[in-house]
Amino acid sequence: GAGVSQSPSNKVTEKGKDVELRCDPISGHTALYWYRQSLGQGLEFLIYFQGNSAPDKSGLPSDRFSAERTGGSVSTLTIQRTQQEDSAVYLCASSPEQGSGETQYFGPGTRLLVL
Amino acid sequence: GESVGLHLPTLSVQEGDNSIINCAYSNSASDYFIWYKQESGKGPQFIIDIRSNMDKRQGQRVTVLLNKTVKHLSLQIAATQPGDSAVYFCAESSTGTASKLTFGTGTRLQVTL
Repeated sequence: GAGVSQSPSNKVTEKGKDVELRCDPISGHTALYWYRQSLGQGLEFLIYFQGNSAPDKSGLPSDRFSAERTGGSVSTLTIQRTQQEDSAVYLCASSPEQGSGETQYFGPGTRLLVL
Repeated sequence: GESVGLHLPTLSVQEGDNSIINCAYSNSASDYFIWYKQESGKGPQFIIDIRSNMDKRQGQRVTVLLNKTVKHLSLQIAATQPGDSAVYFCAESSTGTASKLTFGTGTRLQVTL
């Protein structure tokens, strides 16, 4: 079946604009994760959704960042009033419930560049 | 090792040799560890995991060793192949699952012919 998909694959925006990044998880996966990867760095946890539970937002770097997950499937990460330091690759992953790493699949990411 | 900015530590290995990639972690509460492989332009790909009640786990051509005393994790790749060239990340969690991972900064593995 299809893996995790993300759109757009690349996004260039001007400082101060809002952006929305989309993640389509694997069908049936109840857990969804967002990570950020700055150039040459490891991944930084942002937010985690598990079923109908309240999301774990502890990794969001500022109140300019928010995410929602509609109907337990598609998720949107929104960055308001983008700054140059927001430039990074934003990765989404999904897994069945609180999966092991073996059952967690990452999407290809959205490369965001803020000018 | 750790890296600063764009300068990932790089390990160069000849095809057919064994590779050892190291990772240090700091959280004594970490109970679950994963190694990922990331190729250019792609998301991380699971390689192998290990829980804190083990000190060694083997997969196909890969072995993960965990030393909780010194908070050190290593990935051994046997008979390294050109397709193994990628950036390798360790990640750890204190939840026992992959729900909230802390990643290391990565090591670039270059396989020479």
